[in-house]
Amino acid sequence: QKEVEQNSGPLSVPEGAIASLNCTYSDRGSQSFFWYRQYSGKSPELIMSIYSNGDKEDGRFTAQLNKASQYVSLLIRDSQPSDSATYLCAGGIIQGAQKLVFGQGTRLTINP
Amino acid sequence: NAGVMQNPRHLVRRRGQEARLRCSPMKGHSHVYWYRQLPEEGLKFMVYLQKENIIDESGMPKERFSAEFPKEGPSILRIQQVVRGDSAAYFCASSPPSSSEQFFGPGTRLTVL
Repeated sequence: QKEVEQNSGPLSVPEGAIASLNCTYSDRGSQSFFWYRQYSGKSPELIMSIYSNGDKEDGRFTAQLNKASQYVSLLIRDSQPSDSATYLCAGGIIQGAQKLVFGQGTRLTINP
Repeated sequence: NAGVMQNPRHLVRRRGQEARLRCSPMKGHSHVYWYRQLPEEGLKFMVYLQKENIIDESGMPKERFSAEFPKEGPSILRIQQVVRGDSAAYFCASSPPSSSEQFFGPGTRLTVL
C-alpha cells in the first residue's frame, strides 16, 4: 500500500475557477504535510506546509488537513494558466527535520 | 541569498562509469536530503545527512550508491558502475535545523548510455 496517494489526473479546470487537489496518507502517526508545485523539467517548489487540523490560507492557496480522515487537500482560488503544473503532496512523521514521503503527483491544467 | 545549488545540471555517463553529484545547501541549512525522480514517477527519498553524519539512508540502494556531507564542502552522492536504470533526475533539498520544510535545488539529470 502506498503511503501517500494522489489522483494522478490530469485535472482540467477553467481559468478563474477553484482547483481542488486531494491527497490521502496511510500512516496515522504523520504530523507534517506539504504541497509542492513542479513545472515540467523543473524542481519542486514548496507552496504550503500544514501541521494542524483545519485550514491554512496563503494568498490564493488554502491547505486543509483532516487527521481523523487522513486527508490533505490544496485549493487554488482564481486559477491562472501559470498554475498549470504537477502538484506533489508529501508527508512526514514528525514536525522536525526528516525524510518526506511523496505522492505520485497530480497534473493540473488551467484552461484559458 | 542563494538557494540550494547542485552541479552538474546534466551528466552523461556510459555504463560502468562513476557518477558524482554535488549539492550545496542554502545558507544556514545544516540538513541535506537526496531524492530521485524517475521519468513520470514521483520523488523517492534516498538519504538524509547532516555534517559528517548519515542520519537516515533507508532509501539508498544497498550497492553502488553512497553519500557524504563532509565538514567542509558540498554533499556528494556517488553512484559507482552506473547502469541504464540509474538514469533519472536527482534532487537535493535542504532544511534549517528543527524544520520539516525542505527547499529543493535545480537537480542533476543523469543519463546513462
